[in-house]
Order: sequence, then structure tokens, then C-alpha cells
Amino acid sequence: AQSVTQPDIHITVSEGASLELRCNYSYGATPYLFWYVQSPGQGLQLLLKYFSGDTLVQGIKGFEAEFKRSQSSFNLRKPSVHWSDAAEYFCAVGAGSNFGNEKLTFGTGTRLTIIP
Amino acid sequence: NAGVTQTPKFQVLKTGQSMTLQCAQDMNHNSMYWYRQDPGMGLRLIYYSASEGTTDKGEVPNGYNVSRLNKREFSLRLESAAPSQTSVYFCASSAQIGSNQPQHFGDGTRLSIL
Repeated sequence: AQSVTQPDIHITVSEGASLELRCNYSYGATPYLFWYVQSPGQGLQLLLKYFSGDTLVQGIKGFEAEFKRSQSSFNLRKPSVHWSDAAEYFCAVGAGSNFGNEKLTFGTGTRLTIIP
Repeated sequence: NAGVTQTPKFQVLKTGQSMTLQCAQDMNHNSMYWYRQDPGMGLRLIYYSASEGTTDKGEVPNGYNVSRLNKREFSLRLESAAPSQTSVYFCASSAQIGSNQPQHFGDGTRLSIL
């Protein structure tokens, strides 16, 4: 079965600083990888996804993530954070013998705090 | 531009009461899902429906039942609520089976069991 680890429960970053959120996955085949963001009281919104091809993927809101098979990682990055980026971020891996993303396994999330 | 709509948004129940959480999507998606979110545990899949007329258990199905009423609607039922079911419940949907399209989430139902 697949699993996802987000080792950082909480990260605090100054506005304008760069950001990297870590995600490690465990899955036997090529994974389908996602990053979602959740603002307080809201549902999850997709930031970006990786299925195949270029290992550096661009997402919404200026985020990007890089798939590194050798490290089983899919870290999320942003060069300069804004106060509106404060939220909880979830990494997820999709699997299933026939489906692209029918069953997602989520990490436990990283809460991002932005300080002025 | 509704996407995935969940009702109610908040609910308080007493132990032993029953309740149905409603979910509807207007994106013509085939697949729908129910998750629960608990502090420090991320989202865990309760049940899913790959297509109309089918449902399957996810990671934590005990104490829940589901009904895929039609292509748009997927409900989650708690027959006899327990305090351990206090959680935030999210419904999600995605497009065709085998597609690379992501899941779209509702805003959640916050459920407290006393």
C-alpha cells in the first residue's frame, strides 16, 4: 500500500522569503502525486500534480514541485511567499491498478505560518 | 459555479443518533468520495464510488454507509453516531475512470458527537 510522509508539522516563514515543503512517498510503481492547499474552514484546492514527463511541475499561485524518483520525494517550493499563502498543505499519492487517481493517500499536512 | 456542495456545514449529534450527510456535484463527474479529516491524521478515505451504481470501502469504513443516489449525489450515513466519529467530513469528486484529472473537494461538514 502507498504512504505519504510530510515530516514538518508546522513551518514559519517570513513574507518574501522562499519556501520548501517536504513530501516523501512510498509506492511500488510510478506514483501519481499531488499537492493540495487548505485555507481555514475551506475544502482542499489542487495546487499541482505530477503524472509523468517533466519532473518539475508548475502549479497555481506561483508554486512548483519537483519529482525525484531516487529520493522518493515530491517537494513543494515557492520563491517568495505572500501572507495569503498561510494555510495547510497536503501532499497526496494516487494509486490503483486501473485508475489514475481514484484512491488518494494523504500526508498529515504541513501548516504554514507567514510572519511580516 | 458550485462544484461540490455539502450539506449541512455544521451538525451536533448525541451518541446513538443517526444522520445523513449530503453531497452533490455539478461537474458531471463519474467518481465520488467521502473522507474524514482529524487533527494530525490528514484525510482518510471512508468510502468511494467509482461510477454510478458502485460503491467500495476505503481505509476507515466502519460505522458508515453510503448511497450513490445518482450520478450527481453521494450520501454518507451514520446509523448510530459515536464520539469517535467527531470529525470534519469532506466529499470529493473526479472525472472519468482512468483519467488524470484531480479530485475536487467540497467545503466540508463539521460534525460533533456528544
